[in-house]
Amino acid sequence: DAGITQSPRHKVTETGTPVTLRCHQTENHRYMYWYRQDPGHGLRLIHYSYGVKDTDKGEVSDGYSVSRSKTEDFLLTLESATSSQTSVYFCAIRPPQQSYGYTFGSGTRLTVV
Amino acid sequence: KNQVEQSPQSLIILEGKNCTLQCNYTVSPFSNLRWYKQDTGRGPVSLTIMTFSENTKSNGRYTATLDADTKQSSLHITASQLSDSASYICVVIVTSGTYKYIFGTGTRLKVLA
Repeated sequence: DAGITQSPRHKVTETGTPVTLRCHQTENHRYMYWYRQDPGHGLRLIHYSYGVKDTDKGEVSDGYSVSRSKTEDFLLTLESATSSQTSVYFCAIRPPQQSYGYTFGSGTRLTVV
Repeated sequence: KNQVEQSPQSLIILEGKNCTLQCNYTVSPFSNLRWYKQDTGRGPVSLTIMTFSENTKSNGRYTATLDADTKQSSLHITASQLSDSASYICVVIVTSGTYKYIFGTGTRLKVLA
């Protein structure tokens, strides 16, 4: 999707290993979000950022941490991956004007074996 | 509890036919409602946005309706095409101090030739 890229697109990792997913934007938007998408659930918010070094927890933040040292990059880290964290992870961005809504990345499919 | 429920969960139609997807919500305070289209392996893309005072909004062959009194929305697709095969997600936006998206679980539409 224009202006937002996620990497990697696919990853398989072993239980107990650390994993970092990257979201990169070129829109200079203030707000960035990490969601996970699982069958039978709507997209669920993990963490979000409202500026450089400003982050907050979402509804399913346990087992995840985030960092934002630059406007354009928002990193999601699984300190010790578990099978329950197998999911598709989406990053989203939006400008301060609420009417513009989210722009989503293409997602990262993470499998924890 | 803020919830967004969509029906049906899945739907199969023939190319050229019309269909209507439903969204019921128990969310307050309501700010606006969006419909997103999510192609397989991609992030959601916004189709329409409706505020509290709007009843109908069109985007090409997609027409969304909103009844704020009954807390129901629908997405009508006219003259379906194979490219309409996707998941359609209803999202209600809450603005109660913080700006929050409440996602439905989506309706998976398959259009057959």
